[in-house]
Amino acid sequence: QLQLQESGPGLVKPSETLSLTCTVSGGSISSSSYYWGWIRQPPGKGLEWIGSIYYSGSTYYNPSLKSRVTISVDTSKNQFSLKLSSVTAADTAVYYCARHPDWGQGTLVTVSS
Amino acid sequence: DIQMTQSPSSLSASVGDRVTITCRASQSISSYLNWYQQKPGKAPKLLIYAASSLQSGVPSRFSGSGSGTDFTLTISSLQPEDFATYYCQQSYSTPSITFGQGTRLEIK
Repeated sequence: QLQLQESGPGLVKPSETLSLTCTVSGGSISSSSYYWGWIRQPPGKGLEWIGSIYYSGSTYYNPSLKSRVTISVDTSKNQFSLKLSSVTAADTAVYYCARHPDWGQGTLVTVSS
Repeated sequence: DIQMTQSPSSLSASVGDRVTITCRASQSISSYLNWYQQKPGKAPKLLIYAASSLQSGVPSRFSGSGSGTDFTLTISSLQPEDFATYYCQQSYSTPSITFGQGTRLEIK
């Protein structure tokens, strides 16, 4: 069964770049026609799609975040990553990586000085 | 962007009740509609995909219907473990997916 695990700093300072990695086990990130995505959820709020990367490497971003987001894949490590630049307190959220229908457990990232 | 609107935003019900949650898309999405259940501190769990198909392992008291712009999630007889927040999600414009704002189901 596919498993996804997010990792990265839990605290990021305002104006800096948030960096998270999703490690995939139980399947190869490059072997099938899937989208690998990032979704976030601010505390007490709903779910927001951040962006996705196709197994071929093509990327797709939420227009509201597009100028600040980069998603990349490292097939040698079976990982994909998220970078979100110029963060503010509004970026505080639980960040999930997912490949339908499987999700990681999520990781809380707090933006604070 | 396709907007998803759920109603109600919150709902109080009792064990054994039949509950219906609705989701409306801002444009036709055919049957590209999924329903998720989320419990506090946990990732969303897929219940229904393609509007009416039950995900493996999900109890049969959950059902989904609809197509086009209007969809419903029905729980036929609420169980204690069903009290959670439910989200609809359109996959018509995959990978650009959008979620409804959520429906919080609480114990009456």
